[in-house]
Amino acid sequence: DGGITQSPKYLFRKEGQNVTLSCEQNLNHDAMYWYRQDPGQGLRLIYYSQIVNDFQKGDIAEGYSVSREKKESFPLTVTSAQKNPTAFYLCASSRSLAGAYEQYFGPGTRLTVT
Amino acid sequence: SQELEQSPQSLIVQEGKNLTINCTSSKTLYGLYWYKQKYGEGLIFLMMLQKGGEEKSHEKITAKLDEKKQQSSLHITASQPSHAGIYLCGAVPGGATNKLIFGTGTLLAVQP
Repeated sequence: DGGITQSPKYLFRKEGQNVTLSCEQNLNHDAMYWYRQDPGQGLRLIYYSQIVNDFQKGDIAEGYSVSREKKESFPLTVTSAQKNPTAFYLCASSRSLAGAYEQYFGPGTRLTVT
Repeated sequence: SQELEQSPQSLIVQEGKNLTINCTSSKTLYGLYWYKQKYGEGLIFLMMLQKGGEEKSHEKITAKLDEKKQQSSLHITASQPSHAGIYLCGAVPGGATNKLIFGTGTLLAVQP
């Protein structure tokens, strides 16, 4: 079955530690995205990637980093510089960055930093 | 920058009743997406609208985009408990890429 997997579903970290969230897709999609979801604020775009070895900052990139070494993988690192890292993180992919293609979403990772 | 406002923020309906959720944009919509989310889970794609006046239906859910392409509505007929969840609209600002912005969501509860 084609889809997007995110792991782990729940993640707990101590303040000051970096943490990496995994996102894998087997849909052969070129574009991938990371969103953050907070209560009452909808989804906000963190980073997106149009193609392998290329990625761009979204609206709230500060304190985050990504890599796109393989087409199917787009890991997100939440660094200690992110002031409010506790949130629900969603990864998505689409056939292309250009054009009207729906985005497919993974199940999400809930990160709690104490 | 473009913003999407959804109304109502939350909605409780009796099973079998019809309901409508609205999504209003501050600028012209070049692509409007409707998603459904169960709490703590990913988003499920429902429908995409692009043309002014366009209407699409899937099972008991109908989405419309107005002629001016600044407002979309999602209508559920004869609601069921399985319709409960968070409904989010997303839009492509400017139309150049597939970078979506999202509304804040509408929480729907359906009482048996």
